[in-house]
Amino acid sequence: SQQGEEDPQALSIQEGENATMNCSYKTSINNLQWYRQNSGRGLVHLILIRSNEREKHSGRLRVTLDTSKKSSSLLITASRAADTASYFCATVSNDYKLSFGAGTTVTVRA
Amino acid sequence: GAVVSQHPSWVICKSGTSVKIECRSLDFQATTMFWYRQFPKQSLMLMATSNEGSKATYEQGVEKDKFLINHASLTLSTLTVTSAHPEDSSFYICSASNRGRAPGDTQYFGPGTRLTVL
Repeated sequence: SQQGEEDPQALSIQEGENATMNCSYKTSINNLQWYRQNSGRGLVHLILIRSNEREKHSGRLRVTLDTSKKSSSLLITASRAADTASYFCATVSNDYKLSFGAGTTVTVRA
Repeated sequence: GAVVSQHPSWVICKSGTSVKIECRSLDFQATTMFWYRQFPKQSLMLMATSNEGSKATYEQGVEKDKFLINHASLTLSTLTVTSAHPEDSSFYICSASNRGRAPGDTQYFGPGTRLTVL
């Protein structure tokens, strides 16, 4: 079942700007993951943050996790046209299953 | 490393026919494979989980007789949509894990298969 709720649903920004999207979830988690999906393609794993971590960085990506609020955010800094894609958060609870959010569609204008 | 392929990438079939989709892990042994379905502009929904050599575990609401899953080897899983109908038209994505069923295990996703049933 779908656990994550993401906002905004869509985001349009200028190249060079930062993009921030949020994910909220309902139950306790083991970890939370962010994925990117280009139109009509499979998913690319971006970053995994464990429940005992608060922040993680990977290149231009910064992910935060607030387990007290059951929310996470993904920040893409200095966006590029190639960052245009849909971004999904997925939570993993006690088992191995990924429960995906609805996704945020990001459009980066040149 | 950790590449997963799917074949075909797209398929169009007539209503009532069956369609088989293959998912292969190219450079690792996939202990566990997962099948997801994604409708346009929606999220991925897990359909079933399979381990090599054993029966698949289906999520609630997914008909196991309609969506046949076979995980015949450590590098191949197949999903057969039997007696396909237009409402089965969707984007089917598989993923594979080389470490089994622990919460921290990474799933590697295939590129997806677009199924259109006429």
